[in-house]
Amino acid sequence: GAGVSQSPSNKVTEKGKDVELRCDPISGHTALYWYRQRLGQGLEFLIYFQGNSAPDKSGLPSDRFSAERTGESVSTLTIQRTQQEDSAVYLCASSSPAGGGDEQFFGPGTRLTVL
Amino acid sequence: GQNIDQPTEMTATEGAIVQINCTYQTSGFNGLFWYQQHAGEAPTFLSYNVLDGLEEKGRFSSFLSRSKGYSYLLLKELQMKDSASYLCAPHSNYQLIWGAGTKLIIKP
Repeated sequence: GAGVSQSPSNKVTEKGKDVELRCDPISGHTALYWYRQRLGQGLEFLIYFQGNSAPDKSGLPSDRFSAERTGESVSTLTIQRTQQEDSAVYLCASSSPAGGGDEQFFGPGTRLTVL
Repeated sequence: GQNIDQPTEMTATEGAIVQINCTYQTSGFNGLFWYQQHAGEAPTFLSYNVLDGLEEKGRFSSFLSRSKGYSYLLLKELQMKDSASYLCAPHSNYQLIWGAGTKLIIKP
């Protein structure tokens, strides 16, 4: 596609439910990042995928968070047993085959609200 | 450790010039990105500096001093649409290290 897409754009869920967020990166981009951004705050790194290498999961805040990526395409971020503090915008970004050092292109984000 | 320091908020007048400073400390450094983020939207790329010096791109310029761990973004001929947050992001290994950003408010 022309850019990074994410779905859903908005998600409202009840505390304790599981949610799944989807990211479609730009075709040909091997690097994919997930970030979390709370209202009025900076970007918080969650996880990084690069090609077939093992992902860098060092930013995942707890074992309730997990992410997968199918080859060099779609990625899903799953949050289990959601808590109110999980409410935030979840942003996905991808970059060119050279990986880091190249511009990251962001999707529009998914706004998650946990009631 | 890794640290990024930029002002939380700045105010400027339409038509004027504003400079947003950023100091950083990172383990490893390849270059520095500046991104713009309008409220409720995703960040968009503005500039990337690898070498010391000034990079000019239209109304926006970005400066880098690697030895000082310092960068600034210069915005000229400010327009109301420039009201946004400006994010300084040093590039370390394969990651961008994100600061909280500077919220720029433009007044008529």
